[in-house]
Amino acid sequence: DAGVIQSPRHEVTEMGQEVTLRCKPISGHDYLFWYRQTMMRGLELLIYFNNNVPIDDSGMPEDRFSAKMPNASFSTLKIQPSEPRDSAVYFCASSPDRGDNQPQHFGDGTRLSIL
Amino acid sequence: TQLLEQSPQFLSIQEGENLTVYCNSSSVFSSLQWYRQEPGEGPVLLVTVVTGGEVKKLKRLTFQFGDARKDSSLHITAAQPGDTGLYLCAGENQAGTALIFGKGTTLSVSS
Repeated sequence: DAGVIQSPRHEVTEMGQEVTLRCKPISGHDYLFWYRQTMMRGLELLIYFNNNVPIDDSGMPEDRFSAKMPNASFSTLKIQPSEPRDSAVYFCASSPDRGDNQPQHFGDGTRLSIL
Repeated sequence: TQLLEQSPQFLSIQEGENLTVYCNSSSVFSSLQWYRQEPGEGPVLLVTVVTGGEVKKLKRLTFQFGDARKDSSLHITAAQPGDTGLYLCAGENQAGTALIFGKGTTLSVSS
């Protein structure tokens, strides 16, 4: 079975540019999560969706960040304009349900470098 | 604020040694999950512990959930280079709206 697919795997761009990260969750999973991982702060939840609807975006750092899920098989995380401090690895994860026993299935991440 | 503190932050050992890593909190969690993350990949779930005092074994890995459900440990017997990676513990916040991750223990096993 295909896992969570993220693209691109690596992105290097100059500050001020728009960055779009993409995610295809596992088919049949109702929940989709976007995380950011840095050495300093570890893995932080940015936003999550249930059935394509954003439920909690309290982790989104600033208005420069936005996320959409137009359908059950696709989500985007956009940064506009990008800044060097946005450099991190961004992960998308999906799960069939919420709850203590529900594992989250992670993609392999997008390593973003803003110069 | 619920936090999960993991220790040690880094651990470098030789093949064949035993080790234990810890995940501690001042808050009670209904369950804790352990993930392993290898370089260039996303975290992969190893196990979920649910009941206070529970012990789960996964081959050479032994996971324990504290009686008070505030802490957990992972013990690896006879570590192998394939065990190298970042070990993360995670638990749901009290509102049930987010999974909180510890910062992890980076394990390096050399042959």
